[in-house]
Amino acid sequence: EVQLVESGGGLVQPGGSLRLSCAASGFTFSSYWMHWVRQVPGKGLVWVSRINSAGSSTSSVDSVKGRFTISRDNAKNTLYLQMSSLRVEDTGVYYCARGDRFDSWGQGTLVTVSS
Amino acid sequence: DIQMTQSPSSLSASVGDRVTITCRASQGIRNDLGWYQQKPGKAPKRLIYAASSLQSGVPSRFSGSGSGTEFTLTITSLQPEDFATYYCLQHNSNPPTFGQGTKLEIK
Repeated sequence: EVQLVESGGGLVQPGGSLRLSCAASGFTFSSYWMHWVRQVPGKGLVWVSRINSAGSSTSSVDSVKGRFTISRDNAKNTLYLQMSSLRVEDTGVYYCARGDRFDSWGQGTLVTVSS
Repeated sequence: DIQMTQSPSSLSASVGDRVTITCRASQGIRNDLGWYQQKPGKAPKRLIYAASSLQSGVPSRFSGSGSGTEFTLTITSLQPEDFATYYCLQHNSNPPTFGQGTKLEIK
């Protein structure tokens, strides 16, 4: 069974940093592109960032470029999102999702940026 | 970026009704579209992939159609567990983009 489990969310002040993790199991992690998607509570879904299966190519939405870094450790079956210079508008639930067709999602981890 | 215009934004229906939700893409995306169901406090769950293929385990009352720029999700004979928010997602070109969502409520 495919499982994606996010962790690392919490309350952080504006300008702070946080690293999210997504632990994968039940499939060959190193064969899949992976994504991060954000959802402000009560609002819609917004794609944030993606990484190819080898970890050699990444892409991110303009609003996080230069602040967020997506990476992966295929030996540990784990996806990461390093978030820095956090802003109030980065608040939301962050989901990891599998593959170019977003076929499986984790349960999400809540990031709250507030003073 | 490709814009996905989803309609309606909300829909009120009764158990047993048939409902249709539409997504229009600002440019052609072939059939690179999925439909997702999200319940409060839960992750999105994929229902349909490649515009019209039913995800394994999803009831057959859900169906998708369309190609190019216009897509529909149809739910026949609504069940109580179907009341949720639905999203479309295009993954044809970067960045992937979602529709704004359709909240399906009980009448």
